[in-house]
Amino acid sequence: AQRVTQPEKLLSVFKGAPVELKCNYSYSGSPELFWYVQYSRQRLQLLLRHISRESIKGFTADLNKGETSFHLKKPFAQEEDSAMYYCALRSGGGADGLTFGKGTHLIIQP
Amino acid sequence: NAGVTQTPKFQVLKTGQSMTLQCAQDMNHEYMSWYRQDPGMGLRLIHYSVGAGITDQGEVPNGYNVSRSTTEDFPLRLLSAAPSQTSVYFCASSVGTGGGYTFGSGTRLTVV
Repeated sequence: AQRVTQPEKLLSVFKGAPVELKCNYSYSGSPELFWYVQYSRQRLQLLLRHISRESIKGFTADLNKGETSFHLKKPFAQEEDSAMYYCALRSGGGADGLTFGKGTHLIIQP
Repeated sequence: NAGVTQTPKFQVLKTGQSMTLQCAQDMNHEYMSWYRQDPGMGLRLIHYSVGAGITDQGEVPNGYNVSRSTTEDFPLRLLSAAPSQTSVYFCASSVGTGGGYTFGSGTRLTVV
């Protein structure tokens, strides 16, 4: 069975400090990995996909198949980054929805 | 282009009542799915569909039914509401492999 683990329920950092949100996954095949962000009481928004290797809002994430990790990083945190962040996995076929981690609440202190 | 539209935004039900949460997308996506979001649990998959006429169960399907008669619509039915179904429900759609899921704005359901 596939599983996504986000070990930190809450992460608090100061503005301007680096941010790393951890995500580990368990899946026997070739997964697609995503990061979603949810600002207070809003819909989930796609932040990053591992296959596109892009940088959105200063965030990057690299898939490490050896460590089965997909950590989200940003070198300098901004107050508007405060939100819930979810790591999600989709199996290789893509048909059967997403498996989410339990989320990390990121708080950026001024 | 509205994306994924969910109605209603809020709903209060009494235990034992039934209702249908509506979800519609205008992006011609084949894949659609329903999730529930509970504090400390993240989002969990209820049901999903890979195209019109095809549905399957996710992680937490008990107490919910779905159907997919058209590509655009994917309603979620609560057969007999229970307090344990108090949650925020999200519908999402995807073009398929390589594309991310687009989410609706959610339905906040309270069962008393």
